[in-house]
Amino acid sequence: RKEVEQDPGPFNVPEGATVAFNCTYSNSASQSFFWYRQDCRKEPKLLMSVYSSGNEDGRFTAQLNRASQYISLLIRDSKLSDSATYLCVVRPSGGYNKLIFGAGTRLAVHP
Amino acid sequence: DAGITQSPRHKVTETGTPVTLRCHQTENHRYMYWYRQDPGHGLRLIHYSYGVKDTDKGEVSDGYSVSRSKTEDFLLTLESATSSQTSVYFCAISEDRGGNQPQHFGDGTRLSIL
Repeated sequence: RKEVEQDPGPFNVPEGATVAFNCTYSNSASQSFFWYRQDCRKEPKLLMSVYSSGNEDGRFTAQLNRASQYISLLIRDSKLSDSATYLCVVRPSGGYNKLIFGAGTRLAVHP
Repeated sequence: DAGITQSPRHKVTETGTPVTLRCHQTENHRYMYWYRQDPGHGLRLIHYSYGVKDTDKGEVSDGYSVSRSKTEDFLLTLESATSSQTSVYFCAISEDRGGNQPQHFGDGTRLSIL
């Protein structure tokens, strides 16, 4: 079983749609959680950190469920520019600042 | 954007040749990392550094070595490149080991081993 699992997609949605991505992680002692965005042939860029109480940044909402070891990302009012691959990232406990990356979920927003 | 420069951006070379990739940062961050990214896989850690001359292995370190003689530079070397090392290589930096510290990535190096 992979340490971080995501649905690879692709998710094809029209502009204005709401779309949700899910991610599960296997290490119950994981401490930090992030969503990154990666455009085609570009580097991953931090989209947002995920906090225990859930957090929102504009059209993006992240939720964490530690009991179920589950992270979600909700995108409201999708834009064409949201088309990218979204990476779920988990930092296990202890050691150096090691991050475990999911393989990503691809989103395609169409007119 | 974080001040991270990777060089070269693209390289094509032959099996058995040595290859060195460079990562240069201007942020004075302590932690530096080398990852490879392949289709169907998440980013996988090759090696990381937690200070000058302090390095350690990641999950896919076989066939790779690293060096960090200055805070700003982290080199990744393939001593004898193989076709299985064809990949996109990303360097990343982070400020501190603790807390909720994300990593920030360079633009990547596309390496093809023929």
